[in-house]
Amino acid sequence: DVKVTQSSRYLVKRTGEKVFLECVQDMDHENMFWYRQDPGLGLRLIYFSYDVKMKEKGDIPEGYSVSREKKERFSLILESASTNQTSMYLCASSLQGSTEAFFGQGTRLTVV
Amino acid sequence: AQSVAQPEDQVNVAEGNPLTVKCTYSVSGNPYLFWYVQYPNRGLQFLLKYITGDNLVKGSYGFEAEFNKSQTSFHLKKPSALVSDSALYFCAVTVERGGSYIPTFGRGTSLIVHP
Repeated sequence: DVKVTQSSRYLVKRTGEKVFLECVQDMDHENMFWYRQDPGLGLRLIYFSYDVKMKEKGDIPEGYSVSREKKERFSLILESASTNQTSMYLCASSLQGSTEAFFGQGTRLTVV
Repeated sequence: AQSVAQPEDQVNVAEGNPLTVKCTYSVSGNPYLFWYVQYPNRGLQFLLKYITGDNLVKGSYGFEAEFNKSQTSFHLKKPSALVSDSALYFCAVTVERGGSYIPTFGRGTSLIVHP
């Protein structure tokens, strides 16, 4: 079974802090994604990566950056956390050329 | 640009009754369509997908979905609802972009099954 693991289920951070959300997949997938989920808005794509050190902006990249130094790990970085970044963050991965993505359990981030 | 619409924020159904959760999509090119389910404070679980072939797709937990190209719809159905089906359901369309397939999601529909 594909396993996508997000390092934290719940996080509470202060406004202005630099926040790292970590995601690891164990199936050698080329593609990795970060989404945020908000009630009534569904899942919105923040960034995705199709290879090591390669990334592309999604629909809502403002206030975020990403890092992919190794194939299995994709990090989402909030340079200076703000209260409007309080949300559920979901990581996903997929094989290059495959239409199906596999999701982690999510990280619920609260910025106070 | 591709998009997915789930017109109902919430669907209420009595246990044992059939259920339908609606989804329509807009894409250029061939649509690859998915349904996912999310239980409280959990990630998304795959239910079923349509890539090509038979318009009626069967998936996990007794769910099925019907692809209708002329109506650009992909409604999720189940003949007899269970209380344990209560969850948040997401429709998604996956579109090719530079060799990678990127899922785009609807806003989600909360399904509530009453005993």
